[in-house]
Amino acid sequence: GQSLEQPSEVTAVEGAIVQINCTYQTSGFYGLSWYQQHDGGAPTFLSYNALDGLEETGRFSSFLSRSDSYGYLLLQELQMKDSASYFCAGPNTPLVFGKGTRLSVIA
Amino acid sequence: GAVVSQHPSWVICKSGTSVKIECRSLDFQATTMFWYRQFPKQSLMLMATSNEGSKATYEQGVEKDKFLINHASLTLSTLTVTSAHPEDSSFYICSARRRATEIKRVQETQYFGPGTRLLVL
Repeated sequence: GQSLEQPSEVTAVEGAIVQINCTYQTSGFYGLSWYQQHDGGAPTFLSYNALDGLEETGRFSSFLSRSDSYGYLLLQELQMKDSASYFCAGPNTPLVFGKGTRLSVIA
Repeated sequence: GAVVSQHPSWVICKSGTSVKIECRSLDFQATTMFWYRQFPKQSLMLMATSNEGSKATYEQGVEKDKFLINHASLTLSTLTVTSAHPEDSSFYICSARRRATEIKRVQETQYFGPGTRLLVL
């Protein structure tokens, strides 16, 4: 089977940095993706790691360690609009999603 | 590019009726489409994989006779919820995968539609 574990909730202050972790157990691995979903909306693609290391896309970065079956999404300079649910997903298509982390950004 | 549309975006129906949801890839050919379901405050759960011209593959626990999937062309897949009941009320999201030869960004091979919210009264 395949499973991806992530914290259910995270709260952070506007302007701060927050890290959302994801550990996975999969049969075969091709990459770890991250999606953002605002209430009422569909998931939107944020980032993807196929190899170990850090991928940076603006304020968002994602990290992967295949030996540890672990990745994280890093959000910098948090803004109120970043309040949403964040899902790690993998390892290939069709994507299997983690349970999601609800991020609340407070002033 | 890589736009996926769904229609309708919202549907309210009476219990016992059937509802059809369309998923279209607008600017690419999708040999495979996926249907997910998401209940409030939960994650996306894969329901079925739809391959053009062949029968869909359903995940364990998903009734194939209740959720009819048709993938008649490379740009259209439909999900029909037959004899809908209130417990079928959910957010249904389709996703399309490009042909392997057309993948320009390996990072994002699966594109999601905007979702269809179904409420069964």
